[in-house]
Amino acid sequence: EIVLTQSPATLSLSPGERATLSCRASQNISIYLAWYQQKPGQAPRLLIYDTSNRATGIPARFSGSGSGTDFTLTISSLEPEDFAVYSCQQRRNWPRTFGQGTKVEIK
Amino acid sequence: EVQLVDSGGGLVQPGGSLRLSCAASGFTFSSYWMSWVRQAPGKGLEWVANIKQDGSDKYYVDSVKGRFIISRDNAKNSLFLQMNSLRVDDTAVYYCARDLDKVRGVSDYWGQGTLVTVSS
Repeated sequence: EIVLTQSPATLSLSPGERATLSCRASQNISIYLAWYQQKPGQAPRLLIYDTSNRATGIPARFSGSGSGTDFTLTISSLEPEDFAVYSCQQRRNWPRTFGQGTKVEIK
Repeated sequence: EVQLVDSGGGLVQPGGSLRLSCAASGFTFSSYWMSWVRQAPGKGLEWVANIKQDGSDKYYVDSVKGRFIISRDNAKNSLFLQMNSLRVDDTAVYYCARDLDKVRGVSDYWGQGTLVTVSS
């Protein structure tokens, strides 16, 4: 099973700042990494798939990069609605696995 | 508009069974892989099972193999998860999700979730 490790666990930032979230895979997953956003009491929302492809309707301030084992989600300028938990997920192998999440909170 | 409506959750004793359902609308259900994903209280997401468009291929996380069965009824636009021999650590919100077209294993639409509580 591929283990995904996200860092940091919590990111404290102010609106307008840049957020950089990391996801590291325990083995090479090529480009097969997705990012989701989740707010309390809500289902996850797909942001990015296959490292850098934005899902339908996702604003351009969200971008993804990386390959192999190291991946990054960048939010260029935080909006108030971006404060949430972000999880990465790999689809390289079965079972699909998720990271434990990074909480982006208001500083 | 794509909609997924999860139902069937509830309180069940350890060792018991429960069947979750997901009603799909707003898209051609029979054209998509579908998944169940769960989230224990205060924890991260855990992918549970996946089923091919025609039901011929199914995948499960090891912790539920032999206990859970994913199935679908394309005529009724419905996805199911039969959960047997339930354990306390199966307690979670269960989401059904549609896999992104041609990007199997990534889900672009999710149900609202249904809570399963396993407790004596």
